[in-house]
Amino acid sequence: GESVGLHLPTLSVQEGDNSIINCAYSNSASDYFIWYKQESGKGPQFIIDIRSNMDKRQGQRVTVLLNKTVKHLSLQIAATQPGDSAVYFCAENIPGTALIFGKGTTLSVSS
Amino acid sequence: SAVISQKPSRDICQRGTSLTIQCQVDSQVTMMFWYRQQPGQSLTLIATANQGSEATYESGFVIDKFPISRPNLTFSTLTVSNMSPEDSSIYLCSGGQSMNTEAFFGQGTRLTVV
Repeated sequence: GESVGLHLPTLSVQEGDNSIINCAYSNSASDYFIWYKQESGKGPQFIIDIRSNMDKRQGQRVTVLLNKTVKHLSLQIAATQPGDSAVYFCAENIPGTALIFGKGTTLSVSS
Repeated sequence: SAVISQKPSRDICQRGTSLTIQCQVDSQVTMMFWYRQQPGQSLTLIATANQGSEATYESGFVIDKFPISRPNLTFSTLTVSNMSPEDSSIYLCSGGQSMNTEAFFGQGTRLTVV
């Protein structure tokens, strides 16, 4: 797989590779985090979430890791497919407020 | 999950006019939100739509420019008033059961002001 440094806007991978998308969140009071996938011309689609009392959560082909010490969130996509090509956003939630979105990473998967 | 429908999906409007965007949810949701997304950018929260009371606006957004209605638990509208080209953007409606649970999004309304 290929790892993206923080704040890099794009990630290009080959089909079948594992992808890792990183996100730094801003507020230590945030206790809920979501990864969204947004395809061109569509609204954000929920992928997976994690609460601050966990450090890892797995879904189908996706895993989210949370490191509260350094305020870092990552999304791992196993066996990346062309259909995974999209913009991925992390979002954080401070109790009592609405979701705050990060800058987004564009994932491009080539066959 | 909730399915959120927005109308219109896109529009081209003359400067100085207003556009009202409708958001319909297929089930009752406690929370509804409106976001703006500039092309190639992230989402910025405009306001939280409160049922039966005035919306709660984020810094930089005011009720006179973006009046919001929420008459019930499944419907909300956002009006973009006195539009200028700077208002050209994608406007997204979102709904969820609380502040800290998953929020679902509509497909967005792509607004171009000429």
